[in-house]
Parts: sequence; C-alpha cells; structure tokens
Amino acid sequence: GDSVTQMEGPVTLSEEAFLTINCTYTATGYPSLFWYVQYPGEGLQLLLKATKADDKGSNKGFEATYRKETTSFHLEKGSVQVSDSAVYFCALSDGTGGYNKLIFGAGTRLAVHP
Amino acid sequence: DAGVIQSPRHEVTEMGQEVTLRCKPISGHNSLFWYRQTMMRGLELLIYFNNNVPIDDSGMPEDRFSAKMPNASFSTLKIQPSEPRDSAVYFCASRQGTGGWSPLHFGNGTRLTVT
Repeated sequence: GDSVTQMEGPVTLSEEAFLTINCTYTATGYPSLFWYVQYPGEGLQLLLKATKADDKGSNKGFEATYRKETTSFHLEKGSVQVSDSAVYFCALSDGTGGYNKLIFGAGTRLAVHP
Repeated sequence: DAGVIQSPRHEVTEMGQEVTLRCKPISGHNSLFWYRQTMMRGLELLIYFNNNVPIDDSGMPEDRFSAKMPNASFSTLKIQPSEPRDSAVYFCASRQGTGGWSPLHFGNGTRLTVT
C-alpha cells in the first residue's frame, strides 16, 4: 500500500541555520503531498501542499517541491527560528476507492536553539 | 471562524470504564476523520466518514472501539471497556469534499489516560 517515510529526528539546529527534512513516498497513483506541523499541545496544522509533479508548495519561509522522479517531497527553510520548533509530518493523499484519506509519516521533531 | 472542536481536552479514567470522545467538525465540511497518536505508533487513522457514512473503519483496533456520526455537525468515538493501552491523544479532523488535494483541519485533540 501507499506509505510515507521521513527522516528520523530529533533535528537540532541553531537559529538561522538551514533546514532540510527528508520525505519520500510510495504510491500507486498520483497523490497530493502535504507537510503538516504540530506545536506542543495542539493538533496538526497544514503547512504547505503540492498537488502534482514539479509543483512547489511554500508558506512561512518553508518550501517543498513534488519530485515524481525521486518520489520525494523534502521540506526546506533557509533560516530557522526558535518558534519553528515543532514536529513536522509529511503526508500523502491515498485515493484508493475514490475516497482520499491521508497517510502520514512518523513525524520529525525539530528543536531550534538561540 | 471556529475550527474543529473536540471535547474533553483531557480524560482520565480507570480501566474498564466507558469513554466517549466528542467532535464538532467545521461547518460545511462533509468528511470527518478520527486519528490516534502515540509515541510508539505515531498517527493512526481509526475511521473516516463521508456525508455521515462510515467509509473505512479498518483502523479501528478492536470491537471495544465504536464511532458514530448522527449528523453533519457531531461525531463520537467510544471505547468500552477502556484499557491502559488505549492511552493516547485522539484527534478529530474534517475536510471539505473527498478530493485528495483538500487538506484536513485538525482539532486540538483529547488526551486520554486509562489507569
């Protein structure tokens, strides 16, 4: 079945460092891809999405490009802030049976220090 | 604009007791999802509804778990009897439509502790 694999955390960075969180997927069709972020004590929030190959999703300085040839959707940010500390989830939409449910990766915890 | 509302935020109960978690999706959203989050298993999809009808409940762990959606603005997840291994954060999420491009909107979750 469809699946999402993320790099294991935690990822620890200093403020203003460059961030990459790797995400690869396995899918039989043409899924949409998402990054969600979870702050402590809260639910997941959509960070960005891409719906077809070569699309770039971006929000709040974060970017990710849908790479069909490498089945990847890596999350990047040029300069992280302490407030970016959270857990990041990569996800794909599984269109099996005509109903699209979201399949999540295990999550990657990011800790940014001043 | 109210988001997905879950209640209670925290629930502590003893093994064997019945637990009912509640969810109010965003108005106008016609798909609703229940997820469970634990350190060991991450986010697991338990069940999802479309237009109040259960579409896929293959993630429901056992017969002790049941979910209902009597109308478009309310859903419940019930565990009876509860066990310590049910301790987790339970999230409800809703979405407009069934298209894969449509994102999920999550509530803040219910943290369940079964002692």
